[in-house]
Amino acid sequence: GAVVSQHPSWVICKSGTSVKIECRSLDFQATTMFWYRQFPKQSLMLMATSNEGSKATYEQGVEKDKFLINHASLTLSTLTVTSAHPEDSSFYICSARIWDRESTDTQYFGPGTRLTVL
Amino acid sequence: GDSVTQMEGPVTLSEEAFLTINCTYTATGYPSLFWYVQYPGEGLQLLLKATKADDKGSNKGFEATYRKETTSFHLEKGSVQVSDSAVYFCALQYNQGGKLIFGQGTELSVKP
Repeated sequence: GAVVSQHPSWVICKSGTSVKIECRSLDFQATTMFWYRQFPKQSLMLMATSNEGSKATYEQGVEKDKFLINHASLTLSTLTVTSAHPEDSSFYICSARIWDRESTDTQYFGPGTRLTVL
Repeated sequence: GDSVTQMEGPVTLSEEAFLTINCTYTATGYPSLFWYVQYPGEGLQLLLKATKADDKGSNKGFEATYRKETTSFHLEKGSVQVSDSAVYFCALQYNQGGKLIFGQGTELSVKP
């Protein structure tokens, strides 16, 4: 089946620094990737929708200047948390969408990245 | 707004026990409903889905029926195995390409 990877799986950084998280579709091309944030014991909350070659669409309440998303190719999207603060500590999950007439709309999820900001 | 509510976990069962994980939703329209499963260290995987009222989704022994009258999509399995231990997420989506709205997840632990 389709596989999505994320790197790193776990990162610790100091407050004020920036962190980049990569999301790759390993065996398929994805025109659309999604970024989610998950707090402990809570739902996955969609942060933004990323389409290859165009600007990401952010959900209401998500700061686009803080969470920079780049979708430069059909297999790679990156999320950069700029000037990270402890409140940005969370679990970040990406997904990549395959959408064709036979398989309909299916999202394949990465394993997530745990960010801890000290 | 639209939302999904799942029963709180963790749910702990013995092997071969019957499983029910409750999921109810609030929606203004007629969404498609999904169950995703997340095994330890892995990404979410689609377990099953139903696209309209009274549809039953099934996969790997799991079933869920889209009940519009009770706005529910409860997940059931007749006999769980240790390998079913995971976190289960219920979700809704309005149309193809629309965003997924997730419940908070329910952790299932199956003991031998």
